[in-house]
Amino acid sequence: AQKITQTQPGMFVQEKEAVTLDCTYDTSDPSYGLFWYKQPSSGEMIFLIYQGSYDQQNATEGRYSLNFQKARKSANLVISASQLGDSAMYFCAMREISYGQNFVFGPGTRLSVLP
Amino acid sequence: DTAVSQTPKYLVTQMGNDKSIKCEQNLGHDTMYWYKQDSKKFLKIMFSYNNKELIINETVPNRFSPKSPDKAHLNLHINSLELGDSAVYFCASSQDGAGNIYNEQFFGPGTRLTVL
Repeated sequence: AQKITQTQPGMFVQEKEAVTLDCTYDTSDPSYGLFWYKQPSSGEMIFLIYQGSYDQQNATEGRYSLNFQKARKSANLVISASQLGDSAMYFCAMREISYGQNFVFGPGTRLSVLP
Repeated sequence: DTAVSQTPKYLVTQMGNDKSIKCEQNLGHDTMYWYKQDSKKFLKIMFSYNNKELIINETVPNRFSPKSPDKAHLNLHINSLELGDSAVYFCASSQDGAGNIYNEQFFGPGTRLTVL
């Protein structure tokens, strides 16, 4: 079974608008971490934001925020005021104790920002 | 100052050859990883090393062998290369401790391997 699901293979957004990238996860561990990474066309993997399972508030980092809904097991990434440079692949990932603390990545969403 | 570095960036080789990819991190992290990213961009963990101990070994062919001479290095050696090995290979590191799942990974720039 997929541990991380990203249902949107591709997304388009107009420059300066906000966009939400979906991520749902599957775990029975009470303690886990959720991460989002960006991979631009140049290929590097860039860490964006982190949310811990016990965090009471949604994580925010600049224009990035994480809409964490624990009961629904979702951790959607919200990018506000999209910029052309936001065009990239976005990966949701999870770490859990029972999986040896290793990261499991979702299949990714390709975001294209239109001028 | 490069945090996680990999060499080479590109590797083109013939089927059947043996090749190595080197990885070094200067972050003082205690865990290092190797990932394979296929043509569909799916990222799959291959190995992770914690304090020079292999702590998980996914079901990869035994033609792939990680070698860690010290905590800052995790090299990937591949024997008898096959066409299906063509992919981008990423090295990564993180600072973990027992039960610590809250730290992000830092990735190297990737090595694009093409097997002809």
